[in-house]
Amino acid sequence: QKEVEQNSGPLSVPEGAIASLNCTYSDRVSQSFFWYRQYSGKSPELIMSIYSNGDKEDGRFTAQLNKASQYVSLLIRDSQPSDSATYLCAVNRGYSTLTFGKGTMLLVSP
Amino acid sequence: EAQVTQNPRYLITVTGKKLTVTCSQNMNHEYMSWYRQDPGLGLRQIYYSMNVEVTDKGDVPEGYKVSRKEKRNFPLILESPSPNQTSLYFCASSPTLGAGTEAFFGQGTRLTVV
Repeated sequence: QKEVEQNSGPLSVPEGAIASLNCTYSDRVSQSFFWYRQYSGKSPELIMSIYSNGDKEDGRFTAQLNKASQYVSLLIRDSQPSDSATYLCAVNRGYSTLTFGKGTMLLVSP
Repeated sequence: EAQVTQNPRYLITVTGKKLTVTCSQNMNHEYMSWYRQDPGLGLRQIYYSMNVEVTDKGDVPEGYKVSRKEKRNFPLILESPSPNQTSLYFCASSPTLGAGTEAFFGQGTRLTVV
């Protein structure tokens, strides 16, 4: 059974802090990993993708992948109140559909 | 503008009254899918389609039907809606199916069945 696990939160951080969001997955042959941001009642939007072990940075966002530990994380530096949302981790392997975690709610307080 | 368009955005209906939620994408994507999202349960896939006339069940297909007669359209049909199908529905499309392929989501349809 393919599973993607995330802590539901909420994760609360003050403005300007680093927010760290974590995701584990059970399928060892997973190849692609995505982070989506979803504001309440809105559709998910892609913010990061990562395919190789290590770090990938894009502005204030850094995705980290460790395939040996089956772990992927998202760091948000200098967190802003506008970052308050639910963050969905998604995984797929080869010719398969995306599997989503249930999401972690992030709250950034001014 | 590249987009996935769902209609309607909001719908209130009564139990047993057939309804269709439309989904259209203008990106020439092969792969399309439907999800429902419920509090505490996350996004769950209902049906997906890998190309015209090719559809398959996702994780929660009961009570739903789909069709893919044209590449751009992938309607979701509820033949006899029930209150447990009250949910937020998303259509998504991808260029293809496989590693490295992200999903593009429609705006969502909030369905209430009374």
